[in-house]
Amino acid sequence: DSGVTQTPKHLITATGQRVTLRCSPRSGDLSVYWYQQSLDQGLQFLIQYYNGEERAKGNILERFSAQQFPDLHSELNLSSLELGDSALYFCASAFGLAVNTGELFFGEGSRLTVL
Amino acid sequence: KNEVEQSPQNLTAQEGEFITINCSYSVGISALHWLQQHPGGGIVSLFMLSSGKKKHGRLIATINIQEKHSSLHITASHPRDSAVYICAVPSGGGADGLTFGKGTHLIIQP
Repeated sequence: DSGVTQTPKHLITATGQRVTLRCSPRSGDLSVYWYQQSLDQGLQFLIQYYNGEERAKGNILERFSAQQFPDLHSELNLSSLELGDSALYFCASAFGLAVNTGELFFGEGSRLTVL
Repeated sequence: KNEVEQSPQNLTAQEGEFITINCSYSVGISALHWLQQHPGGGIVSLFMLSSGKKKHGRLIATINIQEKHSSLHITASHPRDSAVYICAVPSGGGADGLTFGKGTHLIIQP
């Protein structure tokens, strides 16, 4: 058990809809990272929050947004969903700001299927 | 942006064999991560290393910063080691995320 909790584990929805994925980081961790894993693109970095502030952006679409709340949990909002958004979405947490300062702890992932 | 190449893409071996998975990257880094993804999808961090060698049980990770290369070794492999092993490095270019290799699909047969 990594200590990172993601909900929901599975989600099936239709094109054009909006969904919210939730992540609770490991106790004490300040950084939350969101990653997308699809069959054709592999794992891709989407966005990072550190102590409530956005700190880095990767390949995140404009239809996607995220935030980190004062209790440090984070939500990833995906809107105007397309078939190609079907993927596993992982959240990872770490204590430090940079990816080279410590181990990452991954959640079990949220599997999104867009029909 | 850092580019990551892993080899081999697929590896099938017999139980007990010594396994080596390689990772090369294009831009100098300060640390590299090795991850393990189980068939169910969950990802576990195995190592983060910035120099030399680290060992955890039957797993050994080495890195050569000058040659931009890292290896993950598994000694006395076991069927429970069957998983996807992924190498990841800082993306660079101002984004503090990770760039991932495509992974090595390892199957250990009894």
